[in-house]
Amino acid sequence: DAKTTQPPSMDCAEGRAANLPCNHSTISGNEYVYWYRQIHSQGPQYIIHGLKNNETNEMASLIITEDRKSSTLILPHATLRDTAVYYCIVRVPGTASKLTFGTGTRLQVTL
Amino acid sequence: DTEVTQTPKHLVMGMTNKKSLKCEQHMGHRAMYWYKQKAKKPPELMFVYSYEKLSINESVPSRFSPECPNSSLLNLHLHALQPEDSALYLCASSQFALVRYEQYFGPGTRLTVT
Repeated sequence: DAKTTQPPSMDCAEGRAANLPCNHSTISGNEYVYWYRQIHSQGPQYIIHGLKNNETNEMASLIITEDRKSSTLILPHATLRDTAVYYCIVRVPGTASKLTFGTGTRLQVTL
Repeated sequence: DTEVTQTPKHLVMGMTNKKSLKCEQHMGHRAMYWYKQKAKKPPELMFVYSYEKLSINESVPSRFSPECPNSSLLNLHLHALQPEDSALYLCASSQFALVRYEQYFGPGTRLTVT
């Protein structure tokens, strides 16, 4: 599995967009980028995934660079409830479901 | 219903005790998982069950014994634990045991070993 690198922490003002980067420079052609988050004292929650095109759902947008070496998770209007640790995971979708969570980015949304 | 439930929420046990953690889902998922999470660390996979059979054991010590009695239930039997086993134990399920299927996590059981 490709290794991912994320900043340990970020701050964002409520109502502003939160842009969370992930570096995955060794990603292979058939690996997807998956994002999960973990709000304090809860289990992780799936957010979004993508291969190479930009993806959007009701929670977030995922922008993957053309060379696929990095991606950005965008929460368009962050709220206090988005304060959490965000994990970027790179995996081949058809492989055994062994999610390896890295250290993630702790996002603090403030008033 | 996209809920995974876990009981108990908290558990304190001595090193000589035997206890069990329980996990339940009613989403018709055929894959279930146990993760362990130490404080301020990411979750670490322990076991994966696929169609009620153990498919992955991440070299977990035998004092942790998983059991999947049916497709909705997953247990983790604990015996002779050490204080360093104190952690949050998370259960998850997915439609099938492949990465492409979203994992749904329960709230976890916070275990303290004294």
